[in-house]
Amino acid sequence: EDQVTQSPEALRLQEGESSSLNCSYTVSGLRGLFWYRQDPGKGPEFLFTLYSAGEEKEKERLKATLTKKESFLHITAPKPEDSATYLCAGLHNAGNMLTFGGGTRLMVKP
Amino acid sequence: NAGVTQTPKFQVLKTGQSMTLQCAQDMNHEYMSWYRQDPGMGLRLIHYSVGAGITDQGEVPNGYNVSRSTTEDFPLRLLSAAPSQTSVYFCASMASFGNTEAFFGQGTRLTVV
Repeated sequence: EDQVTQSPEALRLQEGESSSLNCSYTVSGLRGLFWYRQDPGKGPEFLFTLYSAGEEKEKERLKATLTKKESFLHITAPKPEDSATYLCAGLHNAGNMLTFGGGTRLMVKP
Repeated sequence: NAGVTQTPKFQVLKTGQSMTLQCAQDMNHEYMSWYRQDPGMGLRLIHYSVGAGITDQGEVPNGYNVSRSTTEDFPLRLLSAAPSQTSVYFCASMASFGNTEAFFGQGTRLTVV
């Protein structure tokens, strides 16, 4: 069964305290791994797509990496405005579906 | 450029009522989809469409109907609302599936009493 699992469910950080969010997947024939940011009361906002193991992408304080079994979203020196729920999703090789994980709720305190 | 527009933003229904959630995109995207988001369960795909006139079921299609008569619009119909359909609904579109980012609407918060 195709599954995407994110950990931890919630993460509290102090401003400037770097950390990583994990996304592990068992999606058959994975074509891509997506990361989204979701603020309360809003729709998900695209961050990154990773297509092959070893690939890395960066945007401001965020860096996403991909291995054969999992992806990490590294947050360097986070700021309170980075507080949000971060979602990852696996793109199936067969069919036209994205399978989402449950999300990690990140809270960064000043 | 409005992107993906969903209406209404909030709705309360009584059990057994029917309604249509509207979704429109102005980016000429071929792929559109509907998700529901429930606490602790992430986003789950309800129905999707790869182009006008073509629709297919996702992970949780029961109780919902869709149609795609134009490229721009992809309405979601609840046939007979049930309390289990209380959720936040998101519409998303992509230029082509898997090759570009998905743009999401702002969501419709539906409560069925």
